[in-house]
Amino acid sequence: GAVVSQHPSRVICKSGTSVKIECRSLDFQATTMFWYRQFPKKSLMLMATSNEGSKATYEQGVEKDKFLINHASLTLSTLTVTSAHPEDSSFYICSARRSGPLQETQYFGPGTRLLVL
Amino acid sequence: AQTVTQSQPEMSVQEAETVTLSCTYDTSESDYYLFWYKQPPSRQMILVIRQEAYKQQNATENRFSVNFQKAAKSFSLKISDSQLGDAAMYFCAYRSATFGNEKLTFGTGTRLTIIP
Repeated sequence: GAVVSQHPSRVICKSGTSVKIECRSLDFQATTMFWYRQFPKKSLMLMATSNEGSKATYEQGVEKDKFLINHASLTLSTLTVTSAHPEDSSFYICSARRSGPLQETQYFGPGTRLLVL
Repeated sequence: AQTVTQSQPEMSVQEAETVTLSCTYDTSESDYYLFWYKQPPSRQMILVIRQEAYKQQNATENRFSVNFQKAAKSFSLKISDSQLGDAAMYFCAYRSATFGNEKLTFGTGTRLTIIP
């Protein structure tokens, strides 16, 4: 149990376009989902925390108008990178926290590699 | 704010041998959770083991065990009978038990190489 999927696994886009990344909890309801960014050979940097049905909470320094997060249901959260630029190229990872047993544990998706040309 | 320190950027171990990865953390809280996650070349983050701070007994998961020293704020991971599939980046992480504070604070990671 506790499987999290992400789609797409990789995306290449032109500068100025928007890209949407989906994160789904497949076998559990996720009351909270998290979005991370990871640079090569670095640790994960939390971008934002989203709770179903409410606005996301962004970490300091993360532009909320640039990285739009929608947590529309207990199994789906989306991250939209608006007007993407080459500096937005990175590896984006989502995680989900389940309700009930082991609710303190985050389960991670496989990540999405974004390349902005 | 909490911090997590992994002082070993890289470690290597012979296959079938035992290796210990170190992790220390800093917190003023008394109740929290600690985790080890593994990130293989596929970059999928995989939960290896978790520990509740209120439990004195060290967590174990098959070949993986931890040495949790609460007073010393130390949380090391021991991998026994190392296998080639254990090669990965290992991240130590801290999470507060305070309601509403669910963020994970990660260390910088330790890259583990398994020598055949």
